[in-house]
Amino acid sequence: SAVISQKPSRDICQRGTSLTIQCQVDSQVTMMFWYRQQPGQSLTLIATANQGSEATYESGFVIDKFPISRPNLTFSTLTVSNMSPEDSSIYLCSVRTSANTGELFFGEGSRLTVL
Amino acid sequence: GEDVEQSLFLSVREGDSSVINCTYTDSSSTYLYWYKQEPGAGLQLLTYIFSNMDMKQDQRLTVLLNKKDKHLSLRIADTQTGDSAIYFCAESYAGKSTFGDGTTLTVKP
Repeated sequence: SAVISQKPSRDICQRGTSLTIQCQVDSQVTMMFWYRQQPGQSLTLIATANQGSEATYESGFVIDKFPISRPNLTFSTLTVSNMSPEDSSIYLCSVRTSANTGELFFGEGSRLTVL
Repeated sequence: GEDVEQSLFLSVREGDSSVINCTYTDSSSTYLYWYKQEPGAGLQLLTYIFSNMDMKQDQRLTVLLNKKDKHLSLRIADTQTGDSAIYFCAESYAGKSTFGDGTTLTVKP
């Protein structure tokens, strides 16, 4: 398994500001992902974080709004830019530890409230 | 695009078995997952099954996969009040996963 730490665990932010969420894994992993879970809803994949190159974004998500970094095999950041109340969600980091297994683990999430 | 559907609610009595069902549309799915989410917490991976398997058992959990009908189920034996949570079904292909809307399981004493 993998131990995934996310910071911050929760935050309250003002409209128009930006917040960077960090994801740290206790071991090297092959794939890292960022998901969003809006209140009372399911998870939606934002992007795949690629080491040393630009992230791969899903339909409806763009780099200007959700810039992502992944400098190495254990760490990634997601920035939520120019926030509005509609960005209030839980943001979750997810990892696949090996290409040979299907295990997909999640962090505890970062609960973001935008006023 | 890919779609995963689950019933929204299930209520059982403590000690009974719970069966949560899920259907998906992507015939290329490689892995199928069950996650548990308790209030205010992240997603806990309960179990997963490779698409060429029909069944997987892990203690109180049994996963059944009907690939022809694209139907996945999770059976929890001897359901306890601590099993009350939201259960998410998910499918994965090429590393990307699609989640259902979650089934809220309520266990009554």
